[in-house]
Amino acid sequence: QQPVQSPQAVILREGEDAVINCSSSKALYSVHWYRQKHGEAPVFLMILLKGGEQKGHEKISASFNEKKQQSSLYLTASQLSYSGTYFCGTEKSGGGADGLTFGKGTHLIIQP
Amino acid sequence: EAGVAQSPRYKIIEKRQSVAFWCNPISGHATLYWYQQILGQGPKLLIQFQNNGVVDDSQLPKDRFSAERLKGVDSTLKIQPAKLEDSAVYLCASSLVRGETQYFGPGTRLLVL
Repeated sequence: QQPVQSPQAVILREGEDAVINCSSSKALYSVHWYRQKHGEAPVFLMILLKGGEQKGHEKISASFNEKKQQSSLYLTASQLSYSGTYFCGTEKSGGGADGLTFGKGTHLIIQP
Repeated sequence: EAGVAQSPRYKIIEKRQSVAFWCNPISGHATLYWYQQILGQGPKLLIQFQNNGVVDDSQLPKDRFSAERLKGVDSTLKIQPAKLEDSAVYLCASSLVRGETQYFGPGTRLLVL
């Protein structure tokens, strides 16, 4: 089942913060976050495995709450380059296959 | 390190014609995935290979879509015959092993008229 992302779209000024949420009705093994710019392939941001870990890379970080089957992506002090569509991809627990089920995406627009 | 390669980048065909897409994963990556991305939506998994074996093809429309990875390296996805609703970007991704990061290729944009 497809994970639900919220919000659907966000418009920010450069330097503002944003949070993108991803929730699933099924038990998850991992959550993968990607950013896709128009006409380009999705670019990997980070992967979070079950265990409630939190990861970060410069000003982008994410958390994974295994009990709630939820993940959040945090973008702090946003830059113009952060604009794009953010997708979470989820991998179910207990399965042998690990192909991802992606949400519908969150469109992020950063204005100068 | 070279990324995932795909060809062609663009393809326009008429409905009921056939089309094939090619993917060469990152060297050494055992797992290969084909995704379909319809405009405005997230990628949808079509098929997953582990070396030359199929791991998951539950969402592949097998009446018209087929895929192979004969030597466990590059892969071909075919549509025969194509329908209007097949217009999409077909993305290939690979990972070193199952459960690791999936790296996407540039995709093939298909338009069915």
